[in-house]
Amino acid sequence: DAKTTQPPSMDCAEGRAANLPCNHSTISGNEYVYWYRQIHSQGPQYIIHGLKNNETNEMASLIITEDRKSSTLILPHATLRDTAVYYCIVRVQNTGNQFYFGTGTSLTVIP
Amino acid sequence: GAVVSQHPSRVICKSGTSVKIECRSLDFQATTMFWYRQFPKKSLMLMATSNEGSKATYEQGVEKDKFLINHASLTLSTLTVTSAHPEDSSFYICSARGSVGNQPQHFGDGTRLSIL
Repeated sequence: DAKTTQPPSMDCAEGRAANLPCNHSTISGNEYVYWYRQIHSQGPQYIIHGLKNNETNEMASLIITEDRKSSTLILPHATLRDTAVYYCIVRVQNTGNQFYFGTGTSLTVIP
Repeated sequence: GAVVSQHPSRVICKSGTSVKIECRSLDFQATTMFWYRQFPKKSLMLMATSNEGSKATYEQGVEKDKFLINHASLTLSTLTVTSAHPEDSSFYICSARGSVGNQPQHFGDGTRLSIL
């Protein structure tokens, strides 16, 4: 079962920053937070992941709270192509390291 | 970045047919591969986890005799939907990851299966 909760949908104006929240209050000390997005009829695309420090790459920034119970994915300048369903995932820490997807956030970037 | 190739991208076949879907990791060794199923407007649902050279571990409620998984090498896993029926129509997605620590999974582009 998914260990994360996200708002079902969000809108963002093109060119503005999109801030997508995720709650993972039951996260364990050595579990990472991963973010993916899925554009219609495609497989999920990896965006970023982190443990406790903030992370940044060419796609996005990941801000993790100090208590690690929540995080925020930031797309600094949203474009129309960023319209997708965004999934926040905490990987199960066992030999299988499975991902269980929650319902995600459907982000719509508005022109 | 890491690339996972899934084939075919779409298949339409008659009820009772068995269908094989291939998942390949193109530029890394995938010690673990995963198979998901996704219904329209729903999230991905994990079906099974397979480690190279061993039997797959199926999630509760997934019929292992219906969905045969083989992971014979570090770059290839296959999912065979046996004696497919219309209710098996769905979007099937594979993913793969290597053996190192916190590596993310990398996903294929999915296979749209339609059973007539």
